[in-house]
Amino acid sequence: DIVMTQTPLSLSVTPGQSASISCKSSQSLLHHDGKTFLYWYLQKAGQSPQLLISEVSNRFSGVPDRFSGSGSETNFTLKISRVEAGDVGVYYCMQSIHLLTFGGGTKVEIK
Amino acid sequence: EVQLVQSGAEVKKPGESLRISCEASGYDFTRYWITWVRQMPGKGLEWMARIDPTDSYADYSPSFQGHVTISVDKSTRTAFLQWSSLKASDTAIYYCARVYGRIDYWGQGTLVTVSS
Repeated sequence: DIVMTQTPLSLSVTPGQSASISCKSSQSLLHHDGKTFLYWYLQKAGQSPQLLISEVSNRFSGVPDRFSGSGSETNFTLKISRVEAGDVGVYYCMQSIHLLTFGGGTKVEIK
Repeated sequence: EVQLVQSGAEVKKPGESLRISCEASGYDFTRYWITWVRQMPGKGLEWMARIDPTDSYADYSPSFQGHVTISVDKSTRTAFLQWSSLKASDTAIYYCARVYGRIDYWGQGTLVTVSS
């Protein structure tokens, strides 16, 4: 099984500042077709998760450009620029190169 | 508009059986797999299983293999998740979702409570 490890477990961010979340996989998520099967989701309180980023760095429809993803192979980062109150929730990374696995989640709060 | 509409909340006793459903609309049902994700109270997301509506081929997480069964009815565009004997530890919200590499659309979740 591929294990996804997220850090930190929680973040408290001042509005307008930036936040970064790390996600490490136990195996490379780079497929031989050149795609990297790493995704980022946000789950707001009481809601279903929502897709933010596909294949490391591609924002899903309607996702503000304040959200950006980077990384390769086994190390990935989600950056939230100019954090807003509406960004609070739990962020998850997910891999789908071999079955599916979620990271443990990072809770983002506003100071 | 893509929609995944799940069946309503359930309250069951340990040992009882249960089947919950997820009806898809707004897209070609056979082009995307359906997956189920568990969220226990106050905890994170756990991938359970996925199924190809084309031929009902299914993959399971080792953590859930043998404990649940995933199925699909192409004629009604509906996927199912079932238990033959529930345990208190099955208490959770269960989400269905559409998957093709990425999970891009999610159902609203079904709360299952198992209590004596």
